[in-house]
Amino acid sequence: GAVVSQHPSWVICKSGTSVKIECRSLDFQATTMFWYRQFPKQSLMLMATSNEGSKATYEQGVEKDKFLINHASLTLSTLTVTSAHPEDSSFYICSARGASGTEQFFGPGTRLTVL
Amino acid sequence: AQSVTQLDSHVSVSEGTPVLLRCNYSSSYSPSLFWYVQHPNKGLQLLLKYTSAATLVKGINGFEAEFKKSETSFHLTKPSAHMSDAAEYFCVVSPASGTYKYIFGTGTRLKVLA
Repeated sequence: GAVVSQHPSWVICKSGTSVKIECRSLDFQATTMFWYRQFPKQSLMLMATSNEGSKATYEQGVEKDKFLINHASLTLSTLTVTSAHPEDSSFYICSARGASGTEQFFGPGTRLTVL
Repeated sequence: AQSVTQLDSHVSVSEGTPVLLRCNYSSSYSPSLFWYVQHPNKGLQLLLKYTSAATLVKGINGFEAEFKKSETSFHLTKPSAHMSDAAEYFCVVSPASGTYKYIFGTGTRLKVLA
């Protein structure tokens, strides 16, 4: 149980376009979802926390107008990278937490490359 | 405030020898602690977790960790390393309530030599 999927697993786009990444909890209701960014050979950096039906809470330094997060249902959250630029290229990972417990369940990640 | 320190950025061991990955944490109250493994270009896989039950926690693939409150440590061990253990390992601390945010360590890259 507690499976989280991400789609797509990788995406290549041109500079200036927008890209949407989906994160789904497949077998549980995700009260909270988290979005992380990971640069090569580095740890995960939390970008934002979202609760179903509420606006996301962004970490300091993360541009909320650039990284749009929507948590429309208890099983789906999306991250849209707007007007992507090469510096947005990274590995994006989502996680989800159920109604009880502290554990987060991680998706397999999405590799974004902006040309 | 909470924080976590992974004391070694790289660890190399020979196949069949013990593994020790060190983690120290700081927390103003009783935290939950986790160890995750990440293989290249993959997501995170939970190895084990401590959530205020038994202080010696057994995880998957022969890994275990001991919560030592007096030393504020949560070191990860395995008696005998396997080639497939080569990966990045992250120690994580999380509060027991509130935002449930994870605080990640900087990671330890484990290399297993044949």
